[in-house]
Amino acid sequence: GQNIDQPTEMTATEGAIVQINCTYQTSGFNGLFWYQQHAGEAPTFLSYNVLDGLEEKGRFSSFLSRSKGYSYLLLKELQMKDSASYLCAVVTNDYKLSFGAGTTVTVRA
Amino acid sequence: DGGITQSPKYLFRKEGQNVTLSCEQNLNHDAMYWYRQDPGQGLRLIYYSQIVNDFQKGDIAEGYSVSREKKESFPLTVTSAQKNPTAFYLCASSGEDTDTQYFGPGTRLTVL
Repeated sequence: GQNIDQPTEMTATEGAIVQINCTYQTSGFNGLFWYQQHAGEAPTFLSYNVLDGLEEKGRFSSFLSRSKGYSYLLLKELQMKDSASYLCAVVTNDYKLSFGAGTTVTVRA
Repeated sequence: DGGITQSPKYLFRKEGQNVTLSCEQNLNHDAMYWYRQDPGQGLRLIYYSQIVNDFQKGDIAEGYSVSREKKESFPLTVTSAQKNPTAFYLCASSGEDTDTQYFGPGTRLTVL
């Protein structure tokens, strides 16, 4: 089976930085996605990493180390609207997505 | 506007009844997917279809059925055989050149 681990909850203050880690042990690897999901809504695409390194997109950055089976999502200059669940998902050998349980981030004023 | 629609947003059914959830996309995507989301768990794949008139079981297909008669549509039927049908159901699609899946707004099914 697939094993994708991420912390359940994180809390941070408005304007701060938060790093959400994701470790994975899967049957093959063809890329890693991060999605944002507000409560009761659809997940929305944030980033896709297939090669090692850091991808930066505005306030959000995502890092991947394939040799370590590790990724993180970095959220900078946190805003209240960033309060959401963040989902890590791995593209496995059969090109399906396997999801972690999600990390709920709460931003406090 | 291009996108994925699911209807209704909330659905209530009595135990023992079959119910069909709709999913429509106008993104011209070949592949479509159905996921189930439960509190504290990741999205779990129910069924997926990579082309019209073809579909495959995902990780938790028991108690569910699908059809893919048109490229735009991928309805999911939750049958009475599904033991715990109450959940949030998400439909997604992806295009030919990308693994990125785009999600619909979801249907929250409650079986009473």
